[in-house]
Amino acid sequence: SYQLTQGPSMSVSPGQTATITCSGEKLGDKYVCWYQQKPGHSPLLLIYQDNKRPSGIPERFSGSNSGTTATLTISETQAVDEADYYCQAWANSTDQVFGGGTKLTVL
Amino acid sequence: EVQLVESGGGLAKPGGSLRLSCAASGFTFSRAWMSWVRQAPGKGLEWVGRIKSENDGGTTDYAAPVKGRVVISRDDSRNILLLQLNGLKTEDTAVYYCTRDLVTGPMVYGFDFWGQGTPVTVSS
Repeated sequence: SYQLTQGPSMSVSPGQTATITCSGEKLGDKYVCWYQQKPGHSPLLLIYQDNKRPSGIPERFSGSNSGTTATLTISETQAVDEADYYCQAWANSTDQVFGGGTKLTVL
Repeated sequence: EVQLVESGGGLAKPGGSLRLSCAASGFTFSRAWMSWVRQAPGKGLEWVGRIKSENDGGTTDYAAPVKGRVVISRDDSRNILLLQLNGLKTEDTAVYYCTRDLVTGPMVYGFDFWGQGTPVTVSS
């Protein structure tokens, strides 16, 4: 079955850039989206179709996807960005697959 | 404002059944493709299944771990999404989220709105 792999955790200093990656076979041939989930809250769609932001999502969040790796970039990271981040893509014509999630710590 | 409000979660026994509901408002529910996504305690997200709009055939797709045990249905007259899960296993313990699919043509690009989730615990 198709799998998406994310690093379990990373840390970044406030004001710096956080880069979160998601890898999968021929992932660049699929559309990827990204979600942010804070403790006790539902996930929030941050990026869809590799690099598009829904209304209301700050420009600090951007995405890219090529080859086997999709990347979520958070510029000028703030304490409020501390959360779990999940990538997601279509595995086939019907199934959606999520990555295991990356816990971002801002310190 | 889009709202998705799940209900029906709780404690159930292995082998039993559970029916979850999701009340939708703030958008044209009948045109929406809807999914259920679950999250086991301390774990990541797992797509459970989807139902397309009646206009697009009203068909369903299910993830392998629940196929044969789950039925997703919809009542467009009441703007309600339903999930019936049978043959419950302890590994079905999770928070179950109702989501709206972000759809363009035949493609689903993600889930753009999520409910607050309803917890399900399967235990003897």
